[in-house]
Amino acid sequence: AQKVTQAQTEISVVEKEDVTLDCVYETRDTTYYLFWYKQPPSGELVFLIRRNSFDEQNEISGRYSWNFQKSTSSFNFTITASQVVDSAVYFCALRGGTSYGKLTFGQGTILTVHP
Amino acid sequence: GAGVSQSPSNKVTEKGKDVELRCDPISGHTALYWYRQSLGQGLEFLIYFQGNSAPDKSGLPSDRFSAERTGGSVSTLTIQRTQQEDSAVYLCASSFGGSSNTEAFFGQGTRLTVV
Repeated sequence: AQKVTQAQTEISVVEKEDVTLDCVYETRDTTYYLFWYKQPPSGELVFLIRRNSFDEQNEISGRYSWNFQKSTSSFNFTITASQVVDSAVYFCALRGGTSYGKLTFGQGTILTVHP
Repeated sequence: GAGVSQSPSNKVTEKGKDVELRCDPISGHTALYWYRQSLGQGLEFLIYFQGNSAPDKSGLPSDRFSAERTGGSVSTLTIQRTQQEDSAVYLCASSFGGSSNTEAFFGQGTRLTVV
């Protein structure tokens, strides 16, 4: 069975603060793929990043960075110098190497960035 | 079109009526997924289609739910004898091929309200 846990239901920060969204996963697959999606108030899920289980290199994209640690089964997402436009629901998701279709999502973290 | 298209965007129906929700995937994408998102909840997997393979229906909540995909492209999700607990946003996504390492792109969703 696969499971994704996002322990933080809601986070509220003030603009320019850094914020980290936690994601912990469970899977029996030795090969798997992790994803982060953003859901702004408009409702459409926007793909942010994909990470393969065999690649633990962290990634930075502008103000976004991701820290993947297999030892702790975590794939955390950090926004540096947050902006009001970052306000959204963020979902972490997992797909096992043997379950081609099914993306298992966490419950999501509601991020609110105040001006 | 450029993205995944879903119709209608909103649907209000009376309890007991049948509804059909439509999804047009991104051209060239052979994998198609349906998810359900209830108010304030995460994403619940419903069904997955990949090419001509038998669909993964493991997430369908009851036999009132069914889906088909014609010609490997457009998909229709049908809910028979709708109940109030069926009220949710129904999200469709598509991706390339049957490989686990491809990201899924989501449509805007259909907001279903059963009154």
